[in-house]
Amino acid sequence: AQTVTQSQPEMSVQEAETVTLSCTYDTSESDYYLFWYKQPPSRQMILVIRQEAYKQQNATENRFSVNFQKAAKSFSLKISDSQLGDAAMYFCAYRSFNTDKLIFGTGTRLQVFP
Amino acid sequence: GAVVSQHPSRVICKSGTSVKIECRSLDFQATTMFWYRQFPKQSLMLMATSNEGSKATYEQGVEKDKFLINHASLTLSTLTVTSAHPEDSSFYICSARRWGRGETQYFGPGTRLLVL
Repeated sequence: AQTVTQSQPEMSVQEAETVTLSCTYDTSESDYYLFWYKQPPSRQMILVIRQEAYKQQNATENRFSVNFQKAAKSFSLKISDSQLGDAAMYFCAYRSFNTDKLIFGTGTRLQVFP
Repeated sequence: GAVVSQHPSRVICKSGTSVKIECRSLDFQATTMFWYRQFPKQSLMLMATSNEGSKATYEQGVEKDKFLINHASLTLSTLTVTSAHPEDSSFYICSARRWGRGETQYFGPGTRLLVL
C-alpha cells in the first residue's frame, strides 16, 4: 500500500523569504500523480500544484515549485517570496494512475511572520 | 474554474437524528465524487467514492448503513449521516472530479457537524 509522509508538523518563514516543505512517499508503482494542497483557516482545500510522475520536469505555479525526485520518492514544495496569505496547513497527496483515491500526508502547518 | 459547493456549511443536531449534506459541482459535470472526514488537526480520510448512477464504494471501516451516499446526478452527491451520535461530530469534505483519467479533484468548503 502507498503511504505519504510529511515529517515537518510545523514550519515558519519570514515574509518575502523562501521555505521548503518536505514530502516523501512509498510506492511500487511507476505511474502516479503527486499533489500539494493548501488548507487555510477557512478549511477550504485548494490545489497548489500537481506533478505527473512520468514528467521529469518539475512543476511550477508562480511562486510555488516542486523538487520531484522520483528515485528518492521525494516531492518537496518550495514557496518563494512568502506572503502572509500563504499561512495554512499544507498537505502532500499521492494518487495512483489507475485509481481515484487520494492518499494524504499528515500535513505541515506553515506560519508566516511579518 | 472548477467550483464545488457544500450545504450546509455548519449543522448542529441532536443525537439520534439524521443529517443530510449536499455536494454540488457548479460549473462542471462530476462523474465521480468523494467524501472525506477530517478530525481536528488531522489529515483527510477518504470515506467513500461515488460514481453517478451507481452505488458508492466505501473504504474499509466505514459503515455504509451509517453514512448513506447518493450520487443522483452529474452535479450532485449527498451524504446522509443516519442516527447521528456525538462521535460522528467532525468536518466532512466532499470533492468532485471530471470524467477522464488524470483529472484533478476539486474540493468543497466542508461541513462542520456537531452532534449534541
